[in-house]
Amino acid sequence: KNEVEQSPQNLTAQEGEFITINCSYSVGISALHWLQQHPGGGIVSLFMLSSGKKKHGRLIATINIQEKHSSLHITASHPRDSAVYICAVGPIQGAQKLVFGQGTRLTINP
Amino acid sequence: DVKVTQSSRYLVKRTGEKVFLECVQDMDHENMFWYRQDPGLGLRLIYFSYDVKMKEKGDIPEGYSVSREKKERFSLILESASTNQTSMYLCASSRTSGRNNIQYFGAGTRLSVL
Repeated sequence: KNEVEQSPQNLTAQEGEFITINCSYSVGISALHWLQQHPGGGIVSLFMLSSGKKKHGRLIATINIQEKHSSLHITASHPRDSAVYICAVGPIQGAQKLVFGQGTRLTINP
Repeated sequence: DVKVTQSSRYLVKRTGEKVFLECVQDMDHENMFWYRQDPGLGLRLIYFSYDVKMKEKGDIPEGYSVSREKKERFSLILESASTNQTSMYLCASSRTSGRNNIQYFGAGTRLSVL
């Protein structure tokens, strides 16, 4: 069993829909990261959170430390949101070896 | 903006060749990482370095070595490339101090070993 599990693995939706991607982890963590990878390879960090909720534009990330679960939400989804979304867990400080989920491939159709 | 630059986007090599993948970051980050990414397996850590000349093995170090002679540069070396090392290779860097330990990634090198 992977230490970080994401669901679903693939998600296809229509433009405008509300999107939820889930991440569950089995190890103790200090922080959880959500990353975005567009076709072509480049990965960018969307959020790093250790409690509660963070919002950036149409993206919202939440974490429940007790349940070891995080969700990434996208409101009013757009085709440009199509990407692979990756959940990773690790320490807040130190060398920060992250443990990655396998990613969720999101496709938003116009 | 933080910039992590990988020397090649695409690389084709033959079995048995020695391959060097170079990564340079411009933000004076202490930590640098090499990952490989394969379909269905996600990102897997090959090696990381937390200081100049310091390195630690990641989850899949076999067949690879690394070099960090300068703080800004972290090299991944395939001593004798094999077909099972065909993959996407991603370099990343992060700082150690403070609470902002986000990793910044390069654009990736897609390596094909024939």
